[in-house]
Amino acid sequence: AQKVTQAQTEISVVEKEDVTLDCVYETRDTTYYLFWYKQPPSGELVFLIRRNSFDEQNEISGRYSWNFQKSTSSFNFTITASQVVDSAVYFCALTPSSASKIIFGSGTRLSIRP
Amino acid sequence: GAVVSQHPSRVICKSGTSVKIECRSLDFQATTMFWYRQFPKQSLMLMATSNEGSKATYEQGVEKDKFLINHASLTLSTLTVTSAHPEDSSFYICSARAGDSGNTIYFGEGSWLTVV
Repeated sequence: AQKVTQAQTEISVVEKEDVTLDCVYETRDTTYYLFWYKQPPSGELVFLIRRNSFDEQNEISGRYSWNFQKSTSSFNFTITASQVVDSAVYFCALTPSSASKIIFGSGTRLSIRP
Repeated sequence: GAVVSQHPSRVICKSGTSVKIECRSLDFQATTMFWYRQFPKQSLMLMATSNEGSKATYEQGVEKDKFLINHASLTLSTLTVTSAHPEDSSFYICSARAGDSGNTIYFGEGSWLTVV
């Protein structure tokens, strides 16, 4: 089965706190791509990161960092020193090489309180 | 990065009329585009995969006669909601595969459809 699970439905933290959004995926493919997208209240989806299955190196981009662990099939996303503008719904997604479509998790609604 | 433009961003139509939503890849050619629907506070649900020059592939449960998809060129796909009803009110969003080595998928800005 091809599946993405974001167990955290909603998270609320105070500004400047660090927060980690969990993502667990399932696929039988050995080649696949993982994505994170941000969806602010306006609705559009903003591409954050793409990771292929052969690259387990963690990535940092400013306050954002991603931890890819094939052993646990997880691709977690951490925001350091969160800001109110980070408030959004965040989607983790999977594109297996055997499928042409992108499979989304259910999303995590992140609220950053001032 | 690659840009996908969707138009209109908001549309209100009367029940029984049809409405067309356009999805354009502005700086790349997209042989494959995808159409999603999103209900409030829910994830994106794939409606159909649109392939340039051929018929769209619809997901199970999506009425192909109601949601007409046309992908006439490598940069344009359209979704037409025919005989719209209030239950069709939703957020519709398209995406296109950039064709880069990472198979990155970029999304349009989305279209809010309200049927009154």
